[in-house]
Amino acid sequence: EAQVTQNPRYLITVTGKKLTVTCSQNMNHEYMSWYRQDPGLGLRQIYYSMNVEVTDKGDVPEGYKVSRKEKRNFPLILESPSPNQTSLYFCASSEDPGVSYEQYFGPGTRLTVT
Amino acid sequence: GNSVTQMEGPVTLSEEAFLTINCTYTATGYPSLFWYVQYPGEGLQLLLKATKADDKGSNKGFEATYRKETTSFHLEKGSVQVSDSAVYFCALSSYGGSQGNLIFGKGTKLSVKP
Repeated sequence: EAQVTQNPRYLITVTGKKLTVTCSQNMNHEYMSWYRQDPGLGLRQIYYSMNVEVTDKGDVPEGYKVSRKEKRNFPLILESPSPNQTSLYFCASSEDPGVSYEQYFGPGTRLTVT
Repeated sequence: GNSVTQMEGPVTLSEEAFLTINCTYTATGYPSLFWYVQYPGEGLQLLLKATKADDKGSNKGFEATYRKETTSFHLEKGSVQVSDSAVYFCALSSYGGSQGNLIFGKGTKLSVKP
């Protein structure tokens, strides 16, 4: 089954404790992206990757890192999480970053930073 | 910059009622337009899309027409069901800025009562 998986689905952590949220897709997509969803703000892009070893900032990259060492994986790293990073995070992938291609979303990771 | 504005929710309807969720956009160039749906506890799924002016996207009884003259992409369904209860996001994608970035509206929560 074609899908985007994320782990963990739920995470509660404390300020400053490094964490990684994994994202994996089995569709051989070149393009992957991370979004955060906040009430009243919709979804906003954090980082994206056009292909292996190619990453770039989205609209809200501060406090996040990513890497793309393999085509299928695109982990999101919070080196020193803060309470304002409490949010619902979605990973997405697409076969092409072009304008009209559908993006496939993972099920989401709900992060709480206390 | 590019932006999407969609009607505030929540929207509560009775089963078999007619649904309209308004969406207008601001964008340079020729964006593609999308409606994504998020069912409770799940990630976003593409509902329908339109890639050029006057295109009509349709799926599962939902329709939306890309109106360049009014910069709109309103979502409609003639007869909603309880299973349509979800959050609906209007989005656009265009070149410029983060490639492949979807710009989302804030979402409209729809509840359908039996």
